[in-house]
Amino acid sequence: GDSVTQMEGPVTLSEEAFLTINCTYTATGYPSLFWYVQYPGEGLQLLLKATKADDKGSNKGFEATYRKETTSFHLEKGSVQVSDSAVYFCALRRPGTASKLTFGTGTRLQVTL
Amino acid sequence: DTAVSQTPKYLVTQMGNDKSIKCEQNLGHDTMYWYKQDSKKFLKIMFSYNNKELIINETVPNRFSPKSPDKAHLNLHINSLELGDSAVYFCASSPLIVGSGRSVGEQYFGPGTRLTVT
Repeated sequence: GDSVTQMEGPVTLSEEAFLTINCTYTATGYPSLFWYVQYPGEGLQLLLKATKADDKGSNKGFEATYRKETTSFHLEKGSVQVSDSAVYFCALRRPGTASKLTFGTGTRLQVTL
Repeated sequence: DTAVSQTPKYLVTQMGNDKSIKCEQNLGHDTMYWYKQDSKKFLKIMFSYNNKELIINETVPNRFSPKSPDKAHLNLHINSLELGDSAVYFCASSPLIVGSGRSVGEQYFGPGTRLTVT
């Protein structure tokens, strides 16, 4: 079945540091890939997405590139802020009407001054 | 203004009770979902409804029964609550995905309902 593997957290960084959160996936066909972010006490918000190989999703300074050859969708940001502290979830969805998301286990990011 | 809303936000109850969580979306979406997030933050889908019809039913005990009175609402009723049901339950909605193309039906999540069973 489909699965998503994320690096274990927590990830602790100083403000303005470079961020990478690794995500790899297993799925048949050509899934769409997503990063969701969950701020403390809130629901999930879509951060960025990519629908086909070599697509780059970007939002709020975050980027991720859909790499079919390595089945990866790593999240990066050049300079993190304290306000980026949250839990980040990588997810995939296979095309079709039963559009369930399969999530990774989430990676907690803590950014300090 | 709220896109996907859930009530209540917090629910504390005793084992054996029956409780319901309500979800409403004002986005005009056709598809709604329930997810369960456990204490380790792991998120797993439970149910999905498309235009009031059940389309996804993962391996969930039959004590959980979703009900969709119309396409803007998807409620979750839980019978005979158990300690292991303690979790945060998220409702979500998305536009209908048609065909096998790579259209992106992003899901919009509600704020969650924290259920604590004592």
